[in-house]
Amino acid sequence: DAGVIQSPRHEVTEMGQEVTLRCKPISGHNSLFWYRQTMMRGLELLIYFNNNVPIDDSGMPEDRFSAKMPNASFSTLKIQPSEPRDSAVYFCASSLTGGNQPQHFGDGTRLSIL
Amino acid sequence: RKEVEQDPGPFNVPEGATVAFNCTYSNSASQSFFWYRQDCRKEPKLLMSVYSSGNEDGRFTAQLNRASQYISLLIRDSKLSDSATYLCVVTPTDSWGKLQFGAGTQVVVTP
Repeated sequence: DAGVIQSPRHEVTEMGQEVTLRCKPISGHNSLFWYRQTMMRGLELLIYFNNNVPIDDSGMPEDRFSAKMPNASFSTLKIQPSEPRDSAVYFCASSLTGGNQPQHFGDGTRLSIL
Repeated sequence: RKEVEQDPGPFNVPEGATVAFNCTYSNSASQSFFWYRQDCRKEPKLLMSVYSSGNEDGRFTAQLNRASQYISLLIRDSKLSDSATYLCVVTPTDSWGKLQFGAGTQVVVTP
């Protein structure tokens, strides 16, 4: 079975550029989560969707970050303009709806902003 | 105070030994509990759910103590492949579906 698929796996770009991260959740999962992980701050929840609707975006750092989920099988996280402090590993995870449902993570996107 | 707290370690464990560590959570109404495992430069992976009565999965045993608000993980007969960071995860009742992750406990199993 296919797991959560993220692309790209690695991205290196210069500050000021737009960065778009992509995620395909596990088929049938109706909750999708975007996380950011750094050594300093650990794993942080940025935003999550339920049935394609953003439920909680309180973790989004600032207006430079935006996320969309146009359909049940695709989500994007966009950073515009990017800054060096955005460098991190970005994970997408999906789950069935419900607080007792574990989340399944993609491989992550390693983002470096120069 | 963090909502989920863990001893960062590292816990250095000889191969074959037993290691145990805890995680405390602040929201007494928390409903669901999990242990995830994260290898270096990899994604977190579900290790096991934690049930009220405690549960075991092979060499791994998880316990929940609601009165003291902590969960524990015990690893018996440690293998070199058990070296990883173990993340404690809690779901608060007022954040349905939104997991709260601890910072992780690092375990290093040595030959």
